[in-house]
Amino acid sequence: QSALTQPASVSASPGQSITISCTGTSSDVGTYNLVSWYQHLPGKAPKLIIYEDNKRPSGVSTRFSGSKSGNTASLTISGLQPEDEADYYCCSYASSATYVFGTGSKVTVL
Amino acid sequence: EVRLVQSGAEVRKPGESLKISCETSGFRFTTHWIAWVRQMPGKGLEWMGIFYPGDSGATYNPSFQGQVSISADKSNDIAYLHWGTLRASDTAMYYCARQRHGSSDFDYWGQGTLVTVSS
Repeated sequence: QSALTQPASVSASPGQSITISCTGTSSDVGTYNLVSWYQHLPGKAPKLIIYEDNKRPSGVSTRFSGSKSGNTASLTISGLQPEDEADYYCCSYASSATYVFGTGSKVTVL
Repeated sequence: EVRLVQSGAEVRKPGESLKISCETSGFRFTTHWIAWVRQMPGKGLEWMGIFYPGDSGATYNPSFQGQVSISADKSNDIAYLHWGTLRASDTAMYYCARQRHGSSDFDYWGQGTLVTVSS
């Protein structure tokens, strides 16, 4: 069960958009429409921001959006704001009630 | 209000045992899977395993199988993560998380329990 691959860091200026990729395999990301994304601020619990590839929980900013193509899922943050600076993790269902997280991406707002 | 409140930080020696807890409230405990997630210092999140209090079923990440066990007290809506023999490499922050009913994501998380294993 290998971690999903994410870029280690992504940075952009306020107001710009960024996209974080999450590459898995045909055994996880590519088979199930069950990729979720979490925002993790230092010292805080992770927060669900996208589920089932592209759905947003109630209360999550519309600036966060998810998509998927083949074995790669993506998280896009539009109109980047200073409070978006955090670590972001994807997570995919991987059959038989198992899950796998991504390697994590640190987002820096310049 | 859904809440997952974890037990406090622990310091143990290698070879010792430990059980940390995740006390839940605000939802029907027996109808939600509860997962445990590890974050080693400076590293990313790792899914350790998941437990269904309704039938006491559990599934583990192969990397953690045999190293930890997950259980629950259905009478008090508490989930547990247990080590029989701790190693220095178990030093990490551990989070419990509730799987959203009918889905495959984790919508509520505990605040984390820091476990330090050092001689």
